[in-house]
Amino acid sequence: AQRVTQPEKLLSVFKGAPVELKCNYSYSGSPELFWYVQYSRQRLQLLLRHISRESIKGFTADLNKGETSFHLKKPFAQEEDSAMYYCALATDSWGKLQFGAGTQVVVTP
Amino acid sequence: NAGVTQTPKFQVLKTGQSMTLQCAQDMNHNSMYWYRQDPGMGLRLIYYSASEGTTDKGEVPNGYNVSRLNKREFSLRLESAAPSQTSVYFCASSADRDLTGYTFGSGTRLTVV
Repeated sequence: AQRVTQPEKLLSVFKGAPVELKCNYSYSGSPELFWYVQYSRQRLQLLLRHISRESIKGFTADLNKGETSFHLKKPFAQEEDSAMYYCALATDSWGKLQFGAGTQVVVTP
Repeated sequence: NAGVTQTPKFQVLKTGQSMTLQCAQDMNHNSMYWYRQDPGMGLRLIYYSASEGTTDKGEVPNGYNVSRLNKREFSLRLESAAPSQTSVYFCASSADRDLTGYTFGSGTRLTVV
């Protein structure tokens, strides 16, 4: 069965420190993975997707098929990065997404 | 520039009451989804609609029904609300196999007492 695991419920980091949010998945097919972010009082929005290999707001994520991981990284955290982050896996041709439980990131000055 | 619009934003129901959550999108997307968001559980798919006139169950469909009224609108109905349905509900839409991802509504916070 498809599964997305985000092992950390809460990550607290200092401004300027590196931050890494872990995401592991289980899926027998070819995975398509996404990171979504929800800032306080805002709707969920797409942060980045593995297929585009892009960097958004300083965040990057690399798909590691061997380790079945898609960790999100940023070398220098900013206070505006404080938010809830969800890893998501597209599980079929209709694009249904399966989400992880989410990681709350708190960046303190 | 509305994107995905959900109504209402907040609702309190008594156990056994019914209600319909409304969702409309103006991006000409074929696919629409209803998720519920619960602490520690992330977002779980309730129902989805791959195109106008079709609907399918997701991971947690029990206690819910949906209607894809037309291409724009996808409603979620609770026939007899239960406290376990207290949650934040999100509607989303996407183009077919759209790897640019979903567009989400702002959510409906539902409390069942």
